[in-house]
Amino acid sequence: QPVLTQSSSASASLGSSVKLTCTLNSGHSSYIIAWHQQQPGKAPRYLMKLESSGSYNKGSGVPDRFSGSSSGADRYLTISNLQSEDEADYYCATWDSNTRVFGGGTKLTVL
Amino acid sequence: EVQLVESGGGLVQPGRSLRLSCTASGFTFGDSAMSWLRQAPGKGLEWVGFIRSKPFGGTTEYAASVKGRFSISRDDSKSIAYLQMNSLKTEDTAVYYCTRDTLYGGYCTSTSCYEGSYYYYNMDVWGQGTTVTVSS
Repeated sequence: QPVLTQSSSASASLGSSVKLTCTLNSGHSSYIIAWHQQQPGKAPRYLMKLESSGSYNKGSGVPDRFSGSSSGADRYLTISNLQSEDEADYYCATWDSNTRVFGGGTKLTVL
Repeated sequence: EVQLVESGGGLVQPGRSLRLSCTASGFTFGDSAMSWLRQAPGKGLEWVGFIRSKPFGGTTEYAASVKGRFSISRDDSKSIAYLQMNSLKTEDTAVYYCTRDTLYGGYCTSTSCYEGSYYYYNMDVWGQGTTVTVSS
């Protein structure tokens, strides 16, 4: 069973960049994950599917400021030119053995 | 426009039942797997369960926390996925979301469809959620 580990919080300044990390546990470093964004008081929104190669496919309407990358067991979500509306919870998720697994989420604060 | 709309939430007493609906539009519902997820107040996202598209068997999978109490079904003629919740507990209080799950790594022959050795279901569309409160 995969386990996804995320930092509980992150912060960065308006207009800067931030890189959020989702780490897969041992034995699952090749897994595909997806990133989802949940703005305060709203439903989650799909951002992208991210493979171990670093290849990613974004959802419809996701700004170019959002990109993904991978290194070993780590999956990254990079947000460039941070905007106030990027302040949100970010969740990574994967699928294995007929089960969906989520990370605990990272709360991003835009300063 | 691709859209999912959940309905059926409300206040229900412990031990009672409730059925949620997820109405889809803007895509071929019958070709898509669907998931239900929930989010308790102030908590993270929790996967509840999943139903495959009929070409891939239409079978279901559930989280251990709801197995035996919750069931998922679908009506492709109406583009609706259902979540039947029985024997509700106070800890089932949450916002419930449905998602479209797109299959990667599956394939179909002239007679059957298969998930393949390395398949992945990707949740790529979310509904707006419906609130379920279980309380006496």
